[in-house]
Amino acid sequence: GQSLEQPSEVTAVEGAIVQINCTYQTSGFYGLSWYQQHDGGAPTFLSYNALDGLEETGRFSSFLSRSDSYGYLLLQELQMKDSASYFCAGAGDDKIIFGKGTRLHILP
Amino acid sequence: DAGVTQSPTHLIKTRGQQVTLRCSPKSGHDTVSWYQQALGQGPQFIFQYYEEEERQRGNFPDRFSGHQFPNYSSELNVNALLLGDSALYLCASSLGGRQGEQYFGPGTRLTVT
Repeated sequence: GQSLEQPSEVTAVEGAIVQINCTYQTSGFYGLSWYQQHDGGAPTFLSYNALDGLEETGRFSSFLSRSDSYGYLLLQELQMKDSASYFCAGAGDDKIIFGKGTRLHILP
Repeated sequence: DAGVTQSPTHLIKTRGQQVTLRCSPKSGHDTVSWYQQALGQGPQFIFQYYEEEERQRGNFPDRFSGHQFPNYSSELNVNALLLGDSALYLCASSLGGRQGEQYFGPGTRLTVT
């Protein structure tokens, strides 16, 4: 079957760095996306990796390794406003699959 | 730059009824995807419309149908509503084949009683 696995919760300290991992099993895989969703809000696009390697956008970076069917989202200089759920999503031949999400808790 | 808009914001329906949700994509986008999100879960892909045709479909029954209009806006129709259809329905727009970069609307909260 097609699936994306990510940790359900991660806790980090304000100002620190945190990495959220995602492993996938998707047929005809095109690339890996990351979305942020605050409570009561809609998902917002963070990044997309179509090729292997690291993509950097400000404090956020995303990595993809197709050979390992693995990717991660790296958040640097954590701020309290980064407390949210983060979803990885894979686009395949016939559908788009989202992971169940990782709840990021940030401690002051 | 107009973002993705959805209507209505909230909706309460009775089991067995039919519902229509509407979505206008972000300015310049031509592809619309619909998702169902239950509380505490990730969005579940329903289907995607491009050039007024359903291009991809997730694991949802035929009770879920849609349409895309020439101006790229879209509708999601759900027939014979079940209690389990209660969820947040999200619309996302993108450009052409860019499935990896989608922009979501605020969603429609559907409650079936």
